[in-house]
Amino acid sequence: AQRVTQPEKLLSVFKGAPVELKCNYSYSGSPELFWYVQYSRQRLQLLLRHISRESIKGFTADLNKGETSFHLKKPFAQEEDSAMYYCALRGSQGNLIFGKGTKLSVKP
Amino acid sequence: EADIYQTPRYLVIGTGKKITLECSQTMGHDKMYWYQQDPGMELHLIHYSYGVNSTEKGDLSSESTVSRIRTEHFPLTLESARPSHTSQYLCASSDVVTGIYGYTFGSGTRLTVV
Repeated sequence: AQRVTQPEKLLSVFKGAPVELKCNYSYSGSPELFWYVQYSRQRLQLLLRHISRESIKGFTADLNKGETSFHLKKPFAQEEDSAMYYCALRGSQGNLIFGKGTKLSVKP
Repeated sequence: EADIYQTPRYLVIGTGKKITLECSQTMGHDKMYWYQQDPGMELHLIHYSYGVNSTEKGDLSSESTVSRIRTEHFPLTLESARPSHTSQYLCASSDVVTGIYGYTFGSGTRLTVV
């Protein structure tokens, strides 16, 4: 089965604290994984892809095939990071399969 | 400007009415998708298209239908709206090249059926 699991519905941290948004996947084969973000009243937009191993807005995510995880991390959270975050897996038919999302709330 | 557009942004409609949600993209993308985003914010794929005259149902069963007569246009139709159709509908597109970068999403249509 192809599946993305985001175990936390809500994650609340204080400004300056480290953040880790968890994502686990189920996929037979070589996975392609993405993180999307949806800020309040804005479109869903791509944050980063595992293929590019990039850091966007201070966020990074490393694919761990042994643990089938793709956790999103940031060492020091900012208030503007408050948003809904979705982990996504490209399925065998080429479509993106999304997790249920995690709402990140960064308190001042 | 190359983008993906959804209209209307908000729609309140009575039960039994026929509605069409519009989605157009000016990026020349061959692949287009409709997702339903429920109140818990989970995203479900309801329809997709890989090109003109190609449409497929997604993972979530939906009473809606879609058409793809032109590359840039991918409207979604509900023949008879019901309160259970109340949701946010997101349109997205990608192509063979940008597909590796993920999808481009529209702003969404928030539908309320009363």
